[in-house]
Amino acid sequence: NAGVTQTPKFQVLKTGQSMTLQCAQDMNHEYMSWYRQDPGMGLRLIHYSVGAGITDQGEVPNGYNVSRSTTEDFPLRLLSAAPSQTSVYFCASSYRRGYEQYFGPGTRLTVT
Amino acid sequence: AQTVTQSQPEMSVQEAETVTLSCTYDTSESDYYLFWYKQPPSRQMILVIRQEAYKQQNATENRFSVNFQKAAKSFSLKISDSQLGDAAMYFCAYSINAGNMLTFGGGTRLMVKP
Repeated sequence: NAGVTQTPKFQVLKTGQSMTLQCAQDMNHEYMSWYRQDPGMGLRLIHYSVGAGITDQGEVPNGYNVSRSTTEDFPLRLLSAAPSQTSVYFCASSYRRGYEQYFGPGTRLTVT
Repeated sequence: AQTVTQSQPEMSVQEAETVTLSCTYDTSESDYYLFWYKQPPSRQMILVIRQEAYKQQNATENRFSVNFQKAAKSFSLKISDSQLGDAAMYFCAYSINAGNMLTFGGGTRLMVKP
C-alpha cells in the first residue's frame, strides 16, 4: 500500500494564480481531510469529507475549494493564491471516527 | 471555542532519561479521542499514541505512555528511556466530531542530548 500520497511536494505560485493540490489514498478510507501548517504552529483544518460526494468546511476554509468524487481522491483547489496561503499542506485519511489519521508527506507551497 | 494548549514550546532531555510533555484541552463534549503525533524534521506526521476518553485506563505504547486526567482535561505524554530518534516536534490533538477532524495544539519541540 502506498498509503496517502500528495503531489506536488513543492510549489511556487504568483499571487492570483490558481492550482490544485492532489491527494490520494489506497486504504479505502471514508474520512479525508486537508490541513495547513504555518511556521511554529500546529495543523489547522481547511476542509474535510466523510465520504464520496460529502464535504464540509473546517477552521480555515476561505480561499480553498474541495470536491470528493471518488473514495480515493480528495483534491484541494486554491482559487486565487495569496501570500497568506504560503504554508505546508497535509492531506490525511482515516477509517472511521476516533481512529488514527494517516498523513501524506505534505506539500510546501510558497506564494510570492 | 475548542482548544488544545501545549504550554512547553521546547523541552530537553538527556538520552536514556524520562521526559513528560504537557497538554490541556477544552471541550464540552463527553465523547472524544486524544492523540499525540510526532513530527520529525522530515515533516511526516506519525501517530505516537491514542486514548479513548471513555476509557479510564491510560494508554501505553512501548516507551510511550499517557497520563489522562479527564476531569482536569489534561493529557500528558511520558517518554521513557529517551532515544536520539525521539527528537522531534510533538503535537497533542483531539477529535470530537463525526468527521474525525483533529484540533491540534501548538506543539512542543523535544531535543534529546547524547
